[in-house]
Amino acid sequence: DQQVKQNSPSLSVQEGRISILNCDYTNSMFDYFLWYKKYPAEGPTFLISISSIKDKNEDGRFTVFLNKSAKHLSLHIVPSQPGDSAVYFCAASGNNAGNMLTFGGGTRLMVKP
Amino acid sequence: DAGITQSPRYKITETGRQVTLMCHQTWSHSYMFWYRQDLGHGLRLIYYSAAADITDKGEVPDGYVVSRSKTENFPLTLESATRSQTSVYFCASSESGAGSTFGPGTRLTVL
Repeated sequence: DQQVKQNSPSLSVQEGRISILNCDYTNSMFDYFLWYKKYPAEGPTFLISISSIKDKNEDGRFTVFLNKSAKHLSLHIVPSQPGDSAVYFCAASGNNAGNMLTFGGGTRLMVKP
Repeated sequence: DAGITQSPRYKITETGRQVTLMCHQTWSHSYMFWYRQDLGHGLRLIYYSAAADITDKGEVPDGYVVSRSKTENFPLTLESATRSQTSVYFCASSESGAGSTFGPGTRLTVL
């Protein structure tokens, strides 16, 4: 039973437009959420995070929104750039060992020039 | 080199062989993790360690063994490799309160 789900395996967006990546979770004990970006043949790299006490966190072109009642979070990328093309993983952690992460299955974002 | 490194980056082995994947970090992070990445499953936690000589199972530990005699190293051993263990393996480290930093990965193929 997957506790973190990314229901869209892929997303294609035109350069300059908004990319919205979605993530749902089932475990109410999760209190910290992260997005990682992964290029081929590289490890995931941290992108942005949000604590459960907030509903929005912004960092440049990247904004993460958290809806706790719906157990849903989303990553908005505005404007999208071709270099944003990668696999994006949503991850969640609770009050546990060293922020042990539970990952979603990933969404492949393709930004077309 | 500073950061987190994994070796080898690519490995081909045969069913039944023992293989060890190495992970080294230079930050003295307390926590270290091993994940495997498979299509459709994202990253799944195999084992983690909170400190030297302290290890615990993750979501998919069967067929794997870990040790952590030094803070900076966290090797992962497949005692008798199976084809289902063909995957990309990522090591990560963190301090409490921070997100994990990942290594570059090891692509393992079991024939």
